[in-house]
Amino acid sequence: GAVVSQHPSRVICKSGTSVKIECRSLDFQATTMFWYRQFPKQSLMLMATSNEGSKATYEQGVEKDKFLINHASLTLSTLTVTSAHPEDSSFYICSARDRDSSYEQYFGPGTRLTVT
Amino acid sequence: QKEVEQDPGPLSVPEGAIVSLNCTYSNSAFQYFMWYRQYSRKGPELLMYTYSSGNKEDGRFTAQVDKSSKYISLFIRDSQPSDSATYLCAMSHYGNNRLAFGKGNQVVVIP
Repeated sequence: GAVVSQHPSRVICKSGTSVKIECRSLDFQATTMFWYRQFPKQSLMLMATSNEGSKATYEQGVEKDKFLINHASLTLSTLTVTSAHPEDSSFYICSARDRDSSYEQYFGPGTRLTVT
Repeated sequence: QKEVEQDPGPLSVPEGAIVSLNCTYSNSAFQYFMWYRQYSRKGPELLMYTYSSGNKEDGRFTAQVDKSSKYISLFIRDSQPSDSATYLCAMSHYGNNRLAFGKGNQVVVIP
């Protein structure tokens, strides 16, 4: 149980285009989902917290208009990187908290974004 | 001072040895403590989850939390090459979903 999927697993896009990443909880309902980015050999940096049906809460320094987050259902959250630039190239990972659990988060496999 | 400190390693051990990992933290409000394992280019996988102080054992893995010292540990007994991964500690407050992560500790188990 507690499986989280992400799609796509890898994406290459040109500078200036937008990319959407999906995060799904497959066998549980997630009232809260989290989006992280991770640079090589670095820890996870929380970008935003999204609650189903409400606006996401962004961490300090993360541009809301650049990283659009939508959490339209209890099993799906999306992150859209708008007008992507090479410095946005990173590993993006989502996690989901089981509605029936306490504080455990289950992570997706990650999406490798490369902006050329 | 960072909220969570974790020596990134890397740590190399021979197969069968005990792996000992630890994290220190500064925020006494942390109540929930987790260890995640992350293989290269994959998402983290929850290994151990502990509430407040004490020990928890699961197979070859033991997690310890010492809140008085703000120190948590993970021990891996009879280490296997498949244990080679990065291990991240994480913790959160009561009533707060946000996880504070350590930098991760790269472990290599040599056959």
